[in-house]
Amino acid sequence: EIVMTQSPATLSVSPGERATLSCRASQSVSSDLAWYQQKPGQAPRLLIYGASTRATGIPARFSGNGSGTEFTLTISSLQSEDFAVYYCQHYNNWPLTFGGGTKVEIK
Amino acid sequence: EVQLVESGGGLVQPGGSLRLSCAASGFTFSTYDMSWVRQAPGKGLEWVSSISYDGGIIYADSVKDRFTISRDISKNTLYLQMNSLRAEDTALYYCAKVLGGRWYFDLWGRGTLVTVSS
Repeated sequence: EIVMTQSPATLSVSPGERATLSCRASQSVSSDLAWYQQKPGQAPRLLIYGASTRATGIPARFSGNGSGTEFTLTISSLQSEDFAVYYCQHYNNWPLTFGGGTKVEIK
Repeated sequence: EVQLVESGGGLVQPGGSLRLSCAASGFTFSTYDMSWVRQAPGKGLEWVSSISYDGGIIYADSVKDRFTISRDISKNTLYLQMNSLRAEDTALYYCAKVLGGRWYFDLWGRGTLVTVSS
């Protein structure tokens, strides 16, 4: 099983600032990596797939990078609606696994 | 409207059974792979099971031999039959649609809560 490790667990950021979230895989997943955003009481929302492709309707301030075992999600200028928990997920093989999440909170 | 609506959750005793349903609408259900993903209270996401559009099935080790995923194309509905439930199965169960034949999820339902407790 591929273990996905996200860091930091919590990120405190001021509105308008840049946020960089990390996700590390215990073995290579190529570019088979997705990012999701989850707000309290809501289902996850797909942000990024293929490590760097934005899903439909996702603003350009969200960008993904990386391949192999190291990945990043960058939010270029945090808006109030971006404060949430973010999860990475690999889909390179079975079982599919998610990272433990990074909570982005208001500083 | 494109949506997934789960139902069937509830309180069940350890060792009991439940069947979850996920009604799909707004897209051609028969042509998409589907999955169940769960989230224990206050915890992260955990993949449970997947079924491909042509019937291929796979389970997480934690639920293998206890859970059964299935789909009814005529009813546009995905199911999860859960037997021999344990306390650690307590979670919000999401139904999720797979995008583009790769196993990431572009559409999620709101979830149905399963609580296993005596």
